[in-house]
Amino acid sequence: AQKVTQAQTEISVVEKEDVTLDCVYETRDTTYYLFWYKQPPSGELVFLIRRNSFDEQNEISGRYSWNFQKSTSSFNFTITASQVVDSAVYFCALRMDSSYKLIFGSGTRLLVRP
Amino acid sequence: DTGVSQDPRHKITKRGQNVTFRCDPISEHNRLYWYRQTLGQGPEFLTYFQNEAQLEKSRLLSDRFSAERPKGSFSTLEIQRTEQGDSAMYLCASSNASGNLQPQHFGDGTRLSIL
Repeated sequence: AQKVTQAQTEISVVEKEDVTLDCVYETRDTTYYLFWYKQPPSGELVFLIRRNSFDEQNEISGRYSWNFQKSTSSFNFTITASQVVDSAVYFCALRMDSSYKLIFGSGTRLLVRP
Repeated sequence: DTGVSQDPRHKITKRGQNVTFRCDPISEHNRLYWYRQTLGQGPEFLTYFQNEAQLEKSRLLSDRFSAERPKGSFSTLEIQRTEQGDSAMYLCASSNASGNLQPQHFGDGTRLSIL
């Protein structure tokens, strides 16, 4: 069975701190895709980053970076120099190559305090 | 670039009534998805269309739920004989068909409240 676990329910940081959101996934498939989405208080899910299972190269995009490790089935997401506008619920999602449905974790609520 | 549009934003209805939601995807996207999200949870997949064909359905989609995408453009999701447990945010998303890494882009959702 496929599953996404976000063990951190809520994280609170002070502005300008770095914060890492954890994501652990389960799948037996060899080809799969991983995504991070942000859901601000307004409610709309906003796509942030993506990675396929064959590309473990970690990247930085602006203040966002991610660490994909197949050996530990983890796809962690880091925000550098957090800002108050980063306050939102962040979801990690998994998609198998055999399906187009996204399997979401339960989300991590991030609160960035001024 | 117009995003995914959903209508209505909020729907309040009495238990037992039928409701219908509409989703207009991003214009060049041929894939369309419906999800349901309850408070404090991540979205759960309901169904997926490629053009007008409904290719995948979740077991969550009971026989009271029906979705259509008659001309491969907008889609409707109907819930018949609504129950208290149907109260949730119903999210629509779309993506284009070029490659497997194309992200799904979501609308603002329709919040359904059953009295």
